[in-house]
Amino acid sequence: EAGVAQSPRYKIIEKRQSVAFWCNPISGHATLYWYQQILGQGPKLLIQFQNNGVVDDSQLPKDRFSAERLKGVDSTLKIQPAKLEDSAVYLCASSSPLGSYEQYFGPGTRLTVT
Amino acid sequence: GEDVEQSLFLSVREGDSSVINCTYTDSSSTYLYWYKQEPGAGLQLLTYIFSNMDMKQDQRLTVLLNKKDKHLSLRIADTQTGDSAIYFCGLLSAGKSTFGDGTTLTVKP
Repeated sequence: EAGVAQSPRYKIIEKRQSVAFWCNPISGHATLYWYQQILGQGPKLLIQFQNNGVVDDSQLPKDRFSAERLKGVDSTLKIQPAKLEDSAVYLCASSSPLGSYEQYFGPGTRLTVT
Repeated sequence: GEDVEQSLFLSVREGDSSVINCTYTDSSSTYLYWYKQEPGAGLQLLTYIFSNMDMKQDQRLTVLLNKKDKHLSLRIADTQTGDSAIYFCGLLSAGKSTFGDGTTLTVKP
């Protein structure tokens, strides 16, 4: 079974620029999560999708962050414009439709904003 | 919101037991878990325990849950150098996952 795929693995941008991350969850997983992991901290949930609908986006900074999951499969997370404090690893995870207690994480995208 | 606290670092000798501790504030969580993160990788589920359980054992791993004190621990028996990683405590409450900031376990040969 293929795991959660993310790209790119690394990205360096200047502040005020835009960036997009892509995630392909495990086939058949209805729930998809985007987390932000700042160095030295645990993952913080940004947004959770169930199929192509948003379940929870309460911690997503909506003035600059957006996410979509068209057709309930792949997802993209966009930051526009980026700030220095957005430097972090962005993790995508997915879980089975039978229950969300086990999340499968991708390797993450490390974003550096200079 | 949900707060999850962990100590930041733990260092043990190879072959010893490791105990990683976690405390949380909200008792309505339905499921508590431990994830492991190796350098450059995402998190991987190690083990989990339902909130109606006190203990769970899985090979070298033992999870203890004290609901009264809101305390969760992970014991790794016969710790190996390959166990060196960051361990995250987390919980699921009302469909939402919350993680602690992780404990870095260093295993010395």
